[in-house]
Amino acid sequence: DIQMTQSPSSLSASIGDRVTITCRASQDVSNYVAWYQQKPGKAPKLLIYTATTLQSGVPSRFSGSRSGTDFTLTISSLQPEDVATYYCQKYYSAPYTFGPGTKLEIK
Amino acid sequence: EVQLVESGGGLVQPGGSLRLSCAVSGFTFKSYSMNWVRQAPGKGLEWVAYISDSGTTTHYADSVKGRFTISRDNAKSSLYLEMNSLRDEDTAVYYCVKYITTWGKGTLVAVSS
Repeated sequence: DIQMTQSPSSLSASIGDRVTITCRASQDVSNYVAWYQQKPGKAPKLLIYTATTLQSGVPSRFSGSRSGTDFTLTISSLQPEDVATYYCQKYYSAPYTFGPGTKLEIK
Repeated sequence: EVQLVESGGGLVQPGGSLRLSCAVSGFTFKSYSMNWVRQAPGKGLEWVAYISDSGTTTHYADSVKGRFTISRDNAKSSLYLEMNSLRDEDTAVYYCVKYITTWGKGTLVAVSS
C-alpha cells in the first residue's frame, strides 16, 4: 500500500509568517491529494483537492503544489484562526490513506 | 446546504456489534461515492471504508476488513456501517464523508468492558 508521510509533525510560527507543510507519497498518486484542516473538537474541513485546487470558500492565503510525489500546503500569511492540525490524504485508489498530521501553533 | 448526520454510536463490549447510520440532505446522494473515516481519541484520521455511488464497489482498510460492512440505501439517502467483532482499538469518532468534500460531525463508538 502507498504510504503518506508528513513533515513537520508540529510547528510554531508567528502571525503573518509564511508556513509550509509537506506530504510525501511512497509511490505515484497522480494529483489525487487533498489537504484538510481540523480544529479541536471539530470535523475536518477540506482545503485543497487535486493537489492545487482551492475548495470553494477557503481563504486564498491557502495554496497547494506538487512536485512528483511531494505535495505542499502553504499558508502565505498565518492568521490566528489557522491554529489547527493539517492532514493530507491520497485518494487515487483504495486505501485512501491519510498522512499522520501536522499540528500548527502560534508562537 | 449539504448536511450529513451520523447516528448509532455508543458503548459496546468487546466482541459486540453496532450499526452506524448517516442521513444526508442537500445533495443528490445517489450521484456520489461515500466514505467512513474514524479518529481514535487524541490520534490522527484513519480511512475506514468506501462505497461507490451505485453501491456496487466497496473497499475497506485492512484493520476492519472482514468485520465491517459499508452499505447504502439511495432511496433513503442513507449510508450505513455495520461493525461486528468490535475491539478496543475500534474506539473512535466515526465520520461520514461525502466523497472527500464534506464531513458530518461524527458519532462516538466506545468499545470497553
